[in-house]
Amino acid sequence: SVLTQPPSVSGAPGQRVTISCTGSSSNIGANYDVHWYQRLPGTAPKLLIYGNYNRPSGVPDRFSGSKSGTSASLAITGLQAEDEADYFCQSYDNSLSDVVFGGGTKLTVL
Amino acid sequence: EVQLVESGGGLVQPGRSLRLSCAASGFTFDDYAMVWVRQPPGKGLEWVSGISWDSGSVRYADSVKGRFTISRDNVRNFLYLQMKSLRPEDTALYYCAKDVGRYLESEDWFDPWGQGTLVTVSS
Repeated sequence: SVLTQPPSVSGAPGQRVTISCTGSSSNIGANYDVHWYQRLPGTAPKLLIYGNYNRPSGVPDRFSGSKSGTSASLAITGLQAEDEADYFCQSYDNSLSDVVFGGGTKLTVL
Repeated sequence: EVQLVESGGGLVQPGRSLRLSCAASGFTFDDYAMVWVRQPPGKGLEWVSGISWDSGSVRYADSVKGRFTISRDNVRNFLYLQMKSLRPEDTALYYCAKDVGRYLESEDWFDPWGQGTLVTVSS
């Protein structure tokens, strides 16, 4: 994938975890917005963060997004069992002229 | 409730064709661009194709250009993906999703997504 995510992260209930999304100068580094999606087991992907740090209504404030340089991050605080899911980042790449995604990160709540 | 339901997936031999459908409900379909995104087994998401609200603008990933055709029916509220000359590497779960705007802009996000339909290309 054009955007690189760790394949997996884990944390205990109540803890804070972060998921990185690393790109390059032709996507995140070119100041294109990053969006994040959550896919719970057996369900459709759900928009979690748009425009780098904005939460759609209904998304708990435990979820936050940030961006710096050629990378973006999704932070989840107060980890809950229901957060166990796959998380994907999305941006745009101007050398490919395509929407690009990360490979996805599986979050395990211990 | 905004809902997208894909259908049409299945097992198909290499070189054959398949048409995917996505039924939209709960929103004004012709106010939004729509996209197809796929996820091959064990891999990340891949944007496949997008179409503007009025079908005036369509785009394709290089990997499917010339083989896939996206279209929409704004009367029946359906999105389609006609896939021809299918290859094993097209095997994936195909999602349709609603774009945030009317046109295909580079920084658009997608919300909501359907549950996906599985396409398997194998002999």
